[in-house]
Amino acid sequence: DTGVSQDPRHKITKRGQNVTFRCDPISEHNRLYWYRQTLGQGPEFLTYFQNEAQLEKSRLLSDRFSAERPKGSFSTLEIQRTEQGDSAMYLCASSPAIAGGPGTDTQYFGPGTRLTVL
Amino acid sequence: SQQGEEDPQALSIQEGENATMNCSYKTSINNLQWYRQNSGRGLVHLILIRSNEREKHSGRLRVTLDTSKKSSSLLITASRAADTASYFCATDDRDNYGQNFVFGPGTRLSVLP
Repeated sequence: DTGVSQDPRHKITKRGQNVTFRCDPISEHNRLYWYRQTLGQGPEFLTYFQNEAQLEKSRLLSDRFSAERPKGSFSTLEIQRTEQGDSAMYLCASSPAIAGGPGTDTQYFGPGTRLTVL
Repeated sequence: SQQGEEDPQALSIQEGENATMNCSYKTSINNLQWYRQNSGRGLVHLILIRSNEREKHSGRLRVTLDTSKKSSSLLITASRAADTASYFCATDDRDNYGQNFVFGPGTRLSVLP
C-alpha cells in the first residue's frame, strides 16, 4: 500500500495562468475525491468520482475548475485563468466504495498540492 | 455555511489530561466521521459513527452522537504530545442521497508535555 500521492507538492503561478494537478489513488480504490483547504479551515469538498464517472460536483467548483478521471485510476484537477483567491491546499482522497455515499467511506488522503497564485 | 461546526476552536491541555471536542451539524445525516490533521501525516481518518449509533470507542477515542441535538463529541483520554493536531468532524447529507460530504472548521488541540 503506497498511499495516495499527489503531484506537484507545491505550485507557484501567476494570476491568469492555467495549472493542473495530478492525484494517484490507492490502487484498489474506486472512489476519488478532491478538496480545497485554506489556512485555519476544514477541507471543502469539490468533486468526487466513482471509477471514471464524476458523481457529485460542489457549487464551489466554478467553470474555471475541471476534473477528470479518464480510466478510473489517476485523476487531474485543472484550474484555468487562476485568481489569487485560488491559493489554497488542494487535497485528494480515495476510498473503496461501499454501499452508499461518501459519508460511508473511510477516506485516505494524500499530502496535498499547495497552490500559490501571485 | 459549513455543515459541521467544531467547538472549541482551540484547546490547550497538559499531557495525561482528557480532551473533549464537540461538533454540531445542520441537516439529517447517515454518518458522522472524525479526522485528524497534523503537519507530519496530513489528514487521517479516526472513527465513523452511524446515525443509529450513540457511542463508539477506538483505543483512547470515544465518540458520541446525539441526532436529536445534531451534535457529536470526540473524547481523547490520557492525551499525549503526539495528539497535538487539528480535529475535524465531517458529515454527509441524508436528504441529498448521502452526498454533500462536509467538514467543519476544526478544533486545534495542543497537548503540552
